[in-house]
Amino acid sequence: DSGVTQTPKHLITATGQRVTLRCSPRSGDLSVYWYQQSLDQGLQFLIQYYNGEERAKGNILERFSAQQFPDLHSELNLSSLELGDSALYFCASSSWTRNNEQFFGPGTRLTVL
Amino acid sequence: TQLLEQSPQFLSIQEGENLTVYCNSSSVFSSLQWYRQEPGEGPVLLVTVVTGGEVKKLKRLTFQFGDARKDSSLHITAAQPGDTGLYLCAGVDDYKLSFGAGTTVTVRA
Repeated sequence: DSGVTQTPKHLITATGQRVTLRCSPRSGDLSVYWYQQSLDQGLQFLIQYYNGEERAKGNILERFSAQQFPDLHSELNLSSLELGDSALYFCASSSWTRNNEQFFGPGTRLTVL
Repeated sequence: TQLLEQSPQFLSIQEGENLTVYCNSSSVFSSLQWYRQEPGEGPVLLVTVVTGGEVKKLKRLTFQFGDARKDSSLHITAAQPGDTGLYLCAGVDDYKLSFGAGTTVTVRA
């Protein structure tokens, strides 16, 4: 158990819909990262938050957004969903050390029909 | 385009055999991490290598960081079915991680 929790575990929705994925980092970690993992793209970095502020952006679509709340939990919002958005979405947290060792949650499997 | 290239993409071996997975890049990293991911779960950090030429051992797993800090290898001795999984390398630069596409390792009993 990494100490990072994600909900829901599975999510099935239709094209055009909007969903919210939730993540709680390990106790004491201020940094939260979101990743998308699909079969053809591998593990892709989406966005990072540190203590409530956006710190880095990766390959995140404009239809996607995220935020980190004062209690440090984070949410990833995906809107106008397309079939190609079906993937595993992982949240990771770290304590912002030089080596940036990250601890991953169990992921949310999103299926867009 | 992957910043880090991992090879081979797939590896299937018999229990007791040895295997090596490679992670190569044209970029220099401040450190490099290896993760293992099992189906339906998140990646789990195995090791971080920091110094060029560094070798770290974790039971039957040996990790090596290239002298130029651009490449790394993971060697498993006497593989067991429990070693089955997706092995991912990740380069660290300015606190950012770049992941390779991974090597899927299957160890047959």
